[in-house]
Parts: sequence; structure tokens; C-alpha cells
Amino acid sequence: QSALTQPPSASGSPGQSVTISCTGTSSDVGGYNYVSWYQQHPGKAPKLMIYEVTKRPSGVPDRFSGSKSGNTASLTVSGLQAEDEADYYCSSYAGSNNFVVFGGGTKLTVL
Amino acid sequence: EVQLVESGGGLVQPGGSLRLSCAASGFTFSTYAMSWVRQAPGKGLEWVSTLSGGGSSTYYADSVKGRFTISRDNSKNTLYLQMNSLRAEDTAVYYCAKGTNRGGTTDYWGQGTLVTVSS
Repeated sequence: QSALTQPPSASGSPGQSVTISCTGTSSDVGGYNYVSWYQQHPGKAPKLMIYEVTKRPSGVPDRFSGSKSGNTASLTVSGLQAEDEADYYCSSYAGSNNFVVFGGGTKLTVL
Repeated sequence: EVQLVESGGGLVQPGGSLRLSCAASGFTFSTYAMSWVRQAPGKGLEWVSTLSGGGSSTYYADSVKGRFTISRDNSKNTLYLQMNSLRAEDTAVYYCAKGTNRGGTTDYWGQGTLVTVSS
């Protein structure tokens, strides 16, 4: 069960947009439309921000959006705010054998 | 309001056992898959195991297969993780998470319980 590949860090100034990538294979990201993104602040539990590639749970600002092309999914945060500074993890369904795989996480810094 | 409260973590010696519990409320527990996800200190998230709502389907990460057992008591709205033959690399915060029954997605997470495996 190999982890999905995310950049270790990303950054942007307040008001800017930043995109975080999540690369897998045709057995996970590319094979299913079940990519999720989670936000985790230090010492806190992860929070679901995007599910099924593009969907936002109730209460998540529309500044957060998701997309997918081939084996790579992306999370875009527009209009960066200070409270967006956190770790972000992608995950994907990987079939009935491996079930779920996570990315290594990306630390987003708001400059 | 969905609430998930984990308990049962602590310090255990290598080779020892521990059982984690997750008390759920605020939703119809028996109709949703539930998962355990762990996070080693300073590291990323690692999926551990998932159990279907009715309890008939179980899934495990290769790293815990044969050592950990996930179960649930729908009459008590409680999820369990029995951990045997514990190793130092099992040291982590263990999160309980509610599934959406679609593609392994989890939408609510507990605050986690710390398991430390050390002599």
C-alpha cells in the first residue's frame, strides 16, 4: 500500500491562491472518483474539506475546491486566509484489497 | 451533532495487547461504516482498518493484518480495535472516523487516543 505523493510544503500570501497536488496511480486516484482532502491544525483531529473529488461538505468555504486529472488530484485554496495555515492530506479509495490510501501531507503556510 | 470519543490508549510493552473503544452518538451508528486511522508522532495519516455498518465486511492495512481486529457493537453504538503483538512502530494517535459508505470516505473524526509501545 504505497502512499499518495504530495509536496511537503506550499505557501502563499493572504488573498492569493495555492494549489496542492496529490499523485497516485490508476489503482487509486485515477481509478475512482473517491478522492478526499482533509485539513489538520496542530493538535487537532483532521477535518473533511473535499470529498468525491469536487464536493464540499456543508460549512466548508467555497474558497476550497477540488479537481482531478488522470492519476493526479488537486486541492485549490483561493483567497488565502491566516486560518487556512494547516496540514492538508489527500486520500483515495484503492479498491477492496487496499481500501484507502493517504498522501504524506502538505504543510500550507500563509506568509 | 456527530460525536466520536475514543478511549483505551496508553503505554504498553512490545508484544503486548490493547483494546481501543470509540463511543459514537448523533447518527444512526449501525448504518455507517467506521474506520480507524492512526498518526505516528510528527508523521502523516495512515489508514488502519474499516468495518461496514452491519459488521460483515472488514478491511485492514497490510501493516496490521493478522495483529489487529476491528469490531463493533451496534447495540452500544461502539467501535473497537483489538491490537495484539504490538510493536514500537504502532506508536501513534489512533482516530476513530465515521464513514459515508461511499468509497472509504470519512466525514467525522474523534479527537484520538494515544498508544505508546515501549519497554
